[in-house]
Order: sequence, then C-alpha cells, then structure tokens
Amino acid sequence: NAGVTQTPKFQVLKTGQSMTLQCAQDMNHEYMSWYRQDPGMGLRLIHYSVGAGITDQGEVPNGYNVSRSTTEDFPLRLLSAAPSQTSVYFCASSRQGAGDTIYFGEGSWLTVV
Amino acid sequence: EDQVTQSPEALRLQEGESSSLNCSYTVSGLRGLFWYRQDPGKGPEFLFTLYSAGEEKEKERLKATLTKKESFLHITAPKPEDSATYLCAVSRDDKIIFGKGTRLHILP
Repeated sequence: NAGVTQTPKFQVLKTGQSMTLQCAQDMNHEYMSWYRQDPGMGLRLIHYSVGAGITDQGEVPNGYNVSRSTTEDFPLRLLSAAPSQTSVYFCASSRQGAGDTIYFGEGSWLTVV
Repeated sequence: EDQVTQSPEALRLQEGESSSLNCSYTVSGLRGLFWYRQDPGKGPEFLFTLYSAGEEKEKERLKATLTKKESFLHITAPKPEDSATYLCAVSRDDKIIFGKGTRLHILP
C-alpha cells in the first residue's frame, strides 16, 4: 500500500545546481500537486496537475518546472538552485481534483548551500 | 484575496482538558474544507473533509464543524498522543490554500 512516494528524502545542493524531486502515486489519481513548507509560512502550492499532459502554476512557481507525462508520476525540477529554495517539499494527489481528499507523501528535505 | 487563518498559533492543554481550534476563511466558490494532522518530520495526514455549512464529522476525540465563514476542530478529553500540528485548508477551483496551522501540545 505505497500511496504517494517521494524521493529523495534528503538532499544537499550547491547554489546553481539542478535536480529533480521524484513523486509517484499508485492510486490512479488524476490530480497531483507540489507544495513547499517553510517555518511560519505554512504549505504553499508550487505547481499542480489535473491529469496527464496538463500542468498549471500555483502560488510560488518561480524557479521550478514540472511535467506530467503519465498519470503516476509528477517530478519537480529545480533548474538552478538558490538558498531561498531550502525547504521541505511535499507531493500530494487526489482522485479527481482539489475538492477531493488530498493524500500527501512523506516529504523531501532540501538544503541549498 | 483568498485566505485561511488559523488560531491560536499554539495551544498547550492538560490531558483531559477539552478545547477547540479555529479556522476562518475568505474564499469564493468553496469546494471543500479539509483538516489535517501533521507530526514532526512527516507529511500531513488527512482527518476530515467538510463540504457545506452545518456539516459535522467525528473521529475518536475529534469533531469538525463548518459554518459559512469558519470551521472548528473540537478536541474532547485529549491525550498526549494528540499532540501535533493541525492544518486547515480550503479548495477553490483546482487549488488548495492552507492555513499556517495550530501547534497543539497535550501535557500528561
């Protein structure tokens, strides 16, 4: 019963490096999303997808790219990492959309030095 | 602007001391209101979804209620294992907006 799986769990990057946070779900959910969680800021939506081939921006999209080539996978790419992107990242999915129950992964801790 | 405000930011209770957490929201076209529990180092865990004013849901010591402008999470006779951060979120269109959470600490 995997649910939403995120990798890696922890990552340290140097400023300017690029990387991809992986997210996969095995529940055949149409809706997937990425959030970042910072102290005092709560969870903020980065990008979301309502189905394969469709993505859109959330509240804080700058510096991040996403794609949705399959229903199961929704990777988040950092093109040129900056210290301001140090955060905890959560991937989430739901069966039909934002009005449906959202299930979260366990998080990816990213530090940019 | 759509907003979700949770209060208090932090709450310390003695074991068995009942209380309520508040989530007030301003959003047009609300599709649903969600409550989540988050333990340190973990992802948010789903508790409840409420869709319309007057709706109530219960799970063990927790009860969530919804009005047109706010939701309450009532916790009855809490135990130390109920200590966590409780998050409120609202959905509008295809986006979900989270509050900053209430850190709840139950003292034995």
